[in-house]
Amino acid sequence: AQSVTQPDIHITVSEGASLELRCNYSYGATPYLFWYVQSPGQGLQLLLKYFSGDTLVQGIKGFEAEFKRSQSSFNLRKPSVHWSDAAEYFCAVGTPKALNFGKGTSLLVTP
Amino acid sequence: DGGITQSPKYLFRKEGQNVTLSCEQNLNHDAMYWYRQDPGQGLRLIYYSQIVNDFQKGDIAEGYSVSREKKESFPLTVTSAQKNPTAFYLCASSPGTGGVRSQYFGPGTRLTVL
Repeated sequence: AQSVTQPDIHITVSEGASLELRCNYSYGATPYLFWYVQSPGQGLQLLLKYFSGDTLVQGIKGFEAEFKRSQSSFNLRKPSVHWSDAAEYFCAVGTPKALNFGKGTSLLVTP
Repeated sequence: DGGITQSPKYLFRKEGQNVTLSCEQNLNHDAMYWYRQDPGQGLRLIYYSQIVNDFQKGDIAEGYSVSREKKESFPLTVTSAQKNPTAFYLCASSPGTGGVRSQYFGPGTRLTVL
């Protein structure tokens, strides 16, 4: 079954520092992969998605992600984090029914 | 503005009561979904609907029921059979079915059982 794993439950970065959030997927074929962000008490907002083609995907809010088939990974990156990026981040993989989500990574941004 | 609305934002229920959560979308999307979110658990699929008058169970459908009488509406009923209903409930929609299309989420309803 298609699934994703987010190895880091919490990550803390300093404002202005670079960020990388990890996501590993399990799927035999080329997966449909997504990154979403959730602010406390809110719904989820789509940051970016990968379906095929260029393995480096650009998203909103300055985020990007790179699909690496050899490592079964789809890590999310941002060159310089802003305090407003503090939130919960979810990686998801498409299935015939819906999306399977990872358990999320909570990002804390320090001054 | 196009989007997904969920109401109410907060809901309190006594044990043994059924309660219905509303989800409406004006995106003209065919598919709609209900997810449950618990701390540290990510999102788990309760029910999904690909077309009007049709819906399918997700991974944790026990104790829940849905209807899809209109394209824009997909209400979720949490019944008294749901043993641990306190959670954050998220509704989503997509222009197509399955996981090949991006899903768009509502703001959520937080249900607390007293």
